[in-house]
Amino acid sequence: DIVMTQSPDSLAVSLGERATINCKSSQNLLYSSNNNNYLSWYQHKPGQPPKLLIYWASTRESGVPERFSGSGSGTDFSLTISSLQDEDVAVYYCQQHYSIPLTFGGGTKVEIK
Amino acid sequence: QVQLVQSGAEVKKPGASVKVSCKASGYTFTTYGIHWLRQAPGQRLEWMGWINTDKGSTKFSEKFQGRVTVTGDTSASTVYMELSSLRSEDTAVYYCAKDRRSSTSYYADFDHWGQGTLVTVSS
Repeated sequence: DIVMTQSPDSLAVSLGERATINCKSSQNLLYSSNNNNYLSWYQHKPGQPPKLLIYWASTRESGVPERFSGSGSGTDFSLTISSLQDEDVAVYYCQQHYSIPLTFGGGTKVEIK
Repeated sequence: QVQLVQSGAEVKKPGASVKVSCKASGYTFTTYGIHWLRQAPGQRLEWMGWINTDKGSTKFSEKFQGRVTVTGDTSASTVYMELSSLRSEDTAVYYCAKDRRSSTSYYADFDHWGQGTLVTVSS
């Protein structure tokens, strides 16, 4: 199984400041035939289902604010919130869909400092 | 708009089975696969398996193989997940989720999720 390791486990950032979450996979997620990284990011708030933010490592899902961006390739990826807002308080997960079983990172809890 | 609506919370005894439904609306049901995932308390999200809503074929994580059954009813745009031989470790919120891209591949990410169904296994 591909192991997804996120860091940090939690992060406290002031309103308007930048938050960066890292995700490392135990295997390469770049599929050479289409040059896509099979890595997605989700936002998960209590009592709600997860929400897709980013797919193909860096493509923002429709309706997701521009302050969310994804980067990275191969085994190392990042999610950045450029200017943290109140509504961004949540747990963020990365997910690989390169191989079965599909696996998720352990999550990063983002709070307001 | 796309919606996945799941059945309500369940309480089961160890050794029993549970069946959770997921009714889809707002899109052509057979165009996208449906996956089942779960999240136990304090644990990460865990993928259980997938159904091709057009052909009815399935794929499961080895962890759940033999214990999980997923079926679809295209006339009702509904998918069902049944988990048998329940144990306390199966206590979790169970989610259905729609494949972002297709019905034919289980290598998926998920653009819409059900609201979640809490399954509690307790004697």
